Amino acid sequence: EPEVTQTPSHQVTQMGQEVILRCVPISNHLYFYWYRQILGQKVEFLVSFYNNEISEKSEIFDDQFSVERPDGSNFTLKIRSTKLEDSAMYFCASSEHGNYGYTFGSGTRLTVV
Amino acid sequence: QKEVEQNSGPLSVPEGAIASLNCTYSDRGSQSFFWYRQYSGKSPELIMFIYSNGDKEDGRFTAQLNKASQYVSLLIRDSQPSDSATYLCAGGGNAGKSTFGDGTTLTVKP
Repeated sequence: EPEVTQTPSHQVTQMGQEVILRCVPISNHLYFYWYRQILGQKVEFLVSFYNNEISEKSEIFDDQFSVERPDGSNFTLKIRSTKLEDSAMYFCASSEHGNYGYTFGSGTRLTVV
Repeated sequence: QKEVEQNSGPLSVPEGAIASLNCTYSDRGSQSFFWYRQYSGKSPELIMFIYSNGDKEDGRFTAQLNKASQYVSLLIRDSQPSDSATYLCAGGGNAGKSTFGDGTTLTVKP
């Protein structure tokens, strides 16, 4: 069964450092998303991406965050200057049609120290 | 006011029973509704989506949507211990973001 692949599975970084989280969506999917889940809390929307541009973003997705699809397969989330409160599980998701639900990747656990 | 609210858990049912999970939403612009299952430490996994009023059945799972009441539910028949997980209700717009509820933790006791 097709999978969304995320790397790394766990990233530890120092406060103020830049991190790049990587995702390979399912190949025939057209809609891509980043969500995060702080431990014990709900899944929160960060950003959606379609046709090589951001289609929607949340208020969490401030200037510290950016997304990119550098080639035909990868989809990345960059956090420029990490804060302690950025510590969370970050999930990439993709969808073929956009409104029938997502396939989530296994997540990257980001720990900012 | 929470945009998507799920009935507070945890919910515990005996093996073989019907588990009933409920969700209400505040955004009348939401067009599609989703139930995801999330095992501890894992990512959410889509179980069902529904966008029309009424019932939708898939195996042991039945999703129900009532747009007038802004209510979504998930019934799990013949519950198994492997169904023990947190169930996330989410509402979404057209190709856009989904808003998730806090989740309801279900335990199915053998």
